[in-house]
Amino acid sequence: DAKTTQPPSMDCAEGRAANLPCNHSTISGNEYVYWYRQIHSQGPQYIIHGLKNNETNEMASLIITEDRKSSTLILPHATLRDTAVYYCIVQYHFGNEKLTFGTGTRLTIIP
Amino acid sequence: DTGVSQDPRHKITKRGQNVTFRCDPISEHNRLYWYRQTLGQGPEFLTYFQNEAQLEKSRLLSDRFSAERPKGSFSTLEIQRTEQGDSAMYLCASSLAVGRTAETQYFGPGTRLLVL
Repeated sequence: DAKTTQPPSMDCAEGRAANLPCNHSTISGNEYVYWYRQIHSQGPQYIIHGLKNNETNEMASLIITEDRKSSTLILPHATLRDTAVYYCIVQYHFGNEKLTFGTGTRLTIIP
Repeated sequence: DTGVSQDPRHKITKRGQNVTFRCDPISEHNRLYWYRQTLGQGPEFLTYFQNEAQLEKSRLLSDRFSAERPKGSFSTLEIQRTEQGDSAMYLCASSLAVGRTAETQYFGPGTRLLVL
C-alpha cells in the first residue's frame, strides 16, 4: 500500500503557482520524498526528490515540513502542459527501492 | 525523452496469443524495473533486475509472465496465453545502483497492450 495521501484532484489557473500537498505521516528517517507526474498515455516523469531540506530545480520546488510528515510540490508558473496526474512517493535508497504509487492528484490547469 | 525506450508502443492481440515487449534502459544504468498500470490506477511493481540477475518478482507476476535481461542491457517481458485481464500499460524504468544504494528511476514511454 502507498504510504502517502494526496487529494484526488485540484485545479489551478494558468500562470499561477500550483501547490500540491502530500501527507506521509509514517515516513521513516531513511526515506526520501519523490514526485513524479504522468501526462495522459505517457510514462511517469521524474520531477524532484528530497530527504529533509527543501529542494528546487528547473521544474519545481519541494517543501518538506520540519517533522517530515508532509510536503508540498510547487509548480511556480503553471502552464496547460502541466495538466497531469502527480504522484508523491516515499522511497528508500537502499535495497529494492521499488516505487509504490498511489492514485495521485489529478491537476488540471485552467486557461 | 528520458533515454529509456520501449518497443512496441502499442500491441493488440487476441486472447491466448503470446506477446513480448522490449525495454532498452539508459546505457549506464544497471537496474531495470518493470511495472504494470491499469486504467485509473498508479503503476504497480512487477519485477526488477540488477545487471542480468532478476532479484525480485511481485505476486502480480503470474506463471504466464517471464522477464529476462540476458546481458545486463535490454530486457524482455513475455506474456504467454494472454488473457483480457492482461490489458494494461507495461512500463519499464531504469536506475543506477552503487552497492546497495539506488538512485532515481527514469521511465520509458510504456507499451500499451490490448487483449481482445
